[in-house]
Amino acid sequence: AQTVTQSQPEMSVQEAETVTLSCTYDTSESDYYLFWYKQPPSRQMILVIRQEAYKQQNATENRFSVNFQKAAKSFSLKISDSQLGDAAMYFCAYRSALGTQTGANNLFFGTGTRLTVIP
Amino acid sequence: SAVISQKPSRDICQRGTSLTIQCQVDSQVTMMFWYRQQPGQSLTLIATANQGSEATYESGFVIDKFPISRPNLTFSTLTVSNMSPEDSSIYLCSVGWGATEAFFGQGTRLTVV
Repeated sequence: AQTVTQSQPEMSVQEAETVTLSCTYDTSESDYYLFWYKQPPSRQMILVIRQEAYKQQNATENRFSVNFQKAAKSFSLKISDSQLGDAAMYFCAYRSALGTQTGANNLFFGTGTRLTVIP
Repeated sequence: SAVISQKPSRDICQRGTSLTIQCQVDSQVTMMFWYRQQPGQSLTLIATANQGSEATYESGFVIDKFPISRPNLTFSTLTVSNMSPEDSSIYLCSVGWGATEAFFGQGTRLTVV
């Protein structure tokens, strides 16, 4: 079974600074997808960024970027120019690329990192 | 994209009672997923609900405790039965969208007293 590990239960960053959240995962599959989700106090899960495992290029979405190291099974999230609105729980998640063929397209989540942004 | 309406958004229930959570999607989807998020914890998959067949439950979750209905391709319900304080959690429904998207309902915060 796939496992996702986030070793940082809490992180804090000064506003306008950069922070990196760590995520490692374990899988025997070669093709899969990785995600970072943000969950603010409203409980709504919001997709921040995703990475296809077959792509070597790291995904970037505005101030958010990832460092995807497939061999090391590492998938960290970098938030640049942190803003107060970035404060939330961040979850790293894994999805198999087998998809609907096996019904295995649910997400496996890490335990989350609570990010605090200090004004 | 898909928009998911989940209700109720929160409820406080007496132990021993049951609560049914509804999830309505604005598009037809094959599979819907129900997750539980216990206080301060991550999301754990309860079951996968396919239209026209019985839900598939993950280890540690049973149909008698969490019966699921999936009457059509846009709607599903999860019932939390015979509740105890340990069932106090956030329950979320989700749909997969293609290979790289997943959309979530707003979550139901359940408190059992």
